Amino acid sequence: EPEVTQTPSHQVTQMGQEVILRCVPISNHLYFYWYRQILGQKVEFLVSFYNNEISEKSEIFDDQFSVERPDGSNFTLKIRSTKLEDSAMYFCASSKEGVTAAGGYTFGSGTRLTVV
Amino acid sequence: GDSVTQMEGPVTLSEEAFLTINCTYTATGYPSLFWYVQYPGEGLQLLLKATKADDKGSNKGFEATYRKETTSFHLEKGSVQVSDSAVYFCALLNQGAQKLVFGQGTRLTINP
Repeated sequence: EPEVTQTPSHQVTQMGQEVILRCVPISNHLYFYWYRQILGQKVEFLVSFYNNEISEKSEIFDDQFSVERPDGSNFTLKIRSTKLEDSAMYFCASSKEGVTAAGGYTFGSGTRLTVV
Repeated sequence: GDSVTQMEGPVTLSEEAFLTINCTYTATGYPSLFWYVQYPGEGLQLLLKATKADDKGSNKGFEATYRKETTSFHLEKGSVQVSDSAVYFCALLNQGAQKLVFGQGTRLTINP
């Protein structure tokens, strides 16, 4: 069964450093998403991406965050200058049909980001 | 705004016990409702869904009924197995929205 692959599974970074979280969505999917879960809290939507542009973003997704699909296969989330409160599990997801497939997302296994 | 509230975890049960994980929601309009499961070391997987009132979603012995009158979508299973140990997330997707709104997750541990 096709999978969404996220790398690395765990990343530790110093506060103020830039990090790039990588995701390889399912090859024929067109809609891409990032969510995050701070330990013990809810899974929160960050951003959705379609047709090479952001289609929706949350208030969490400020100027420190950016997304890119650099080569047609990878989908990356960049945090420009990490803060302690960015420590969380970050989930990538993809969907063939977007919201019309109501819940038809495939999620990756997540990247645990620890900012020290 | 839209929100989902799940029962606090962790939940620990013995094998073959009956499981209920409560989920209530607040939303404008008529959302679709979902249960996702995360097994250790894996991603979020869709377990079941219901798209309108009184619909029952079911999968792998789990069931949940969309109750509009009580704004609830409780997850149930008649006889749990050790392999059901995971974190369970209730979520909603409102009409016209791009994003899933999740509850905080409930960690379930089944002992043999």
